[in-house]
Order: sequence, then C-alpha cells, then structure tokens
Amino acid sequence: GAGVSQSPSNKVTEKGKDVELRCDPISGHTALYWYRQSLGQGLEFLIYFQGNSAPDKSGLPSDRFSAERTGGSVSTLTIQRTQQEDSAVYLCASSQVSNYGYTFGSGTRLTVV
Amino acid sequence: KQEVTQIPAALSVPEGENLVLNCSFTDSAIYNLQWFRQDPGKGLTSLLLIQSSQREQTSGRLNASLDKSSGRSTLYIAASQPGDSATYLCAVINTSGTYKYIFGTGTRLKVLA
Repeated sequence: GAGVSQSPSNKVTEKGKDVELRCDPISGHTALYWYRQSLGQGLEFLIYFQGNSAPDKSGLPSDRFSAERTGGSVSTLTIQRTQQEDSAVYLCASSQVSNYGYTFGSGTRLTVV
Repeated sequence: KQEVTQIPAALSVPEGENLVLNCSFTDSAIYNLQWFRQDPGKGLTSLLLIQSSQREQTSGRLNASLDKSSGRSTLYIAASQPGDSATYLCAVINTSGTYKYIFGTGTRLKVLA
C-alpha cells in the first residue's frame, strides 16, 4: 500500500481481556518494527521483524506480549490479559532495509479500563 | 549503550522566527540519524535522514546538520509558522546491530500566531 496502515486506530478494552493490534506495512518493505509510546514518554522498542522472523524480541515487556508476521507482510501484536499499564499508543514502522529510514503508521491508541 | 537527548524539552516562539532544535547522542558510531515530526494523537512523519557520511540535509524550510564526532545534530527551521507546531524527535541507528532506531524524548514546539 501507499503507507503503513494500523488498525484499529483506537481500542478500549477491559482489564484482563486479550487484544490484537494489526500492522500492514508498505508493500516490499522487509523490515517491520513495533514501538510503544506511553503518555509523556519516549518511544520504547518492542520487536523487530526481518521477513517473517523476529531476530530481536528483547523489548517485549512480558510474556503477555507476543507478535507474529505472516507472508513477509502483515504483523499482529497480541497482548494477553491486559493491564492498565499497557495503556499506550502502539506504533508500527516499516523500512525497505533494516538500517535505512522508517515509515510509521498512525498508531493504535490502547486504553485499558 | 546509546542514549539520545533533546534540548529543550519544550519551546514557544512567535511566528516568523528562525529556530534550532538540538539532539545529542552518546555513541558516535552511528549509521544514520533521522528527524521526525509528531502531531498530537498521530504517528511520526519522517522529515530528514542524514547518513553518517553526510554533514547536512535540506528540505524546504528545514535543514538538519550532523556532527558525528561530537555526537550532535541540529534541526534548523526557517521562518517558523503555526503549522510547524508539533513534537520533533530525533533518532539514531548504531553501526552495531543496525536495525533499530533509538529515539530521543523530543522537543515540543509551539509557534504562536
């Protein structure tokens, strides 16, 4: 597609529920990244995909967080048993190669109540 | 460990002023540096990318410079306009593990009409 697409744009969920966040990168971009931005905080790296594999998952905060990428394209970030501290904006970015310039999506604002 | 700092954290200027935003990083072994703009509630928009071999990049009223040896970059905005009001973020990729950007916490700019 023309840009990085994320859905939903907003998600309100009850504490303890599972949520899935979706990222559709720019066609042909092999590298895909998830970041989290909490209120008033900087961007926190979560996970990096090269193709369908994730060489670096070091930023995932706990085992409640997981992500996958299929067909070298769409990625899904899943948060199980959501907690209030998971409330943040989740941003996805893609790039043509892993060391050159990100294009970001507009993010998913997750609110856990 | 690479750390990226942006000063000032917030800045208000009258319309028409030329201004400089600062970014510093602790490890000079970077592959490139990217400046982004973030509007409230939105994702990040790439403004300029400077490769480590370059000294500056220009786009319209924006000019970004890079002094790798001193660990500094500046973003110069000429003839500021109210539409320039946003948060400006810089990010670097290290030459080791060249796949993820490390972000500063941003400068929140307000241009007053």
